Amino acid sequence: ELKVEQNPLFLSMQEGKNYTIYCNYSTTSDRLYWYRQDPGKSLESLFVLLSNGAVKQEGRLMASLDTKARLSTLHITAAVHDLSATYFCCGAGSYQLTFGKGTKLSVIP
Amino acid sequence: NAGVTQTPKFRILKIGQSMTLQCTQDMNHNYMYWYRQDPGMGLKLIYYSVGAGITDKGEVPNGYNVSRSTTEDFPLRLELAAPSQTSVYFCASRGNEKLFFGSGTQLSVL
Repeated sequence: ELKVEQNPLFLSMQEGKNYTIYCNYSTTSDRLYWYRQDPGKSLESLFVLLSNGAVKQEGRLMASLDTKARLSTLHITAAVHDLSATYFCCGAGSYQLTFGKGTKLSVIP
Repeated sequence: NAGVTQTPKFRILKIGQSMTLQCTQDMNHNYMYWYRQDPGMGLKLIYYSVGAGITDKGEVPNGYNVSRSTTEDFPLRLELAAPSQTSVYFCASRGNEKLFFGSGTQLSVL
């Protein structure tokens, strides 16, 4: 059974700073998803990582995947207030998709 | 394309009532999922389906039932609603290496 752990669960950071969210998973996952959720909203797709060493970037967010370490990271560069949200990683097992508990990010001016 | 459509958006049930949450996708995806999200928590898988006529339990299936008679539709049925089923429910479909979510159903059982 695939288990997914994110850390930290809460993150308060100043505008302009950099930080990384970590996502560890327990067994083989053939892909790794990152999602953003704003309060009261559905989940918005950020990245899909399909292979070892995959790196994807969109604006101030960059995601990477290391399948050997069973680790994905979401790096935030020069944070701005608009990035405040909850970020989820999700691993794909044989048929199921398992989500981490989420990282609630607050970017403070 | 409408993507994944969930109805209703909000619902209040009394304890013991039953209801069906509707989910439809127009992308011809085989894989569909139902998740629940409790306040401040992550998503827990209730049921999933890998194609018409095939469904299986997820992490928290008790108190729920599903059916998948067509590729497009994946309804979730709550029988004998309980306060513990108060949550936000999300339907999703998977295809083309992506996972698409509906807008969610906020359900309160009082």
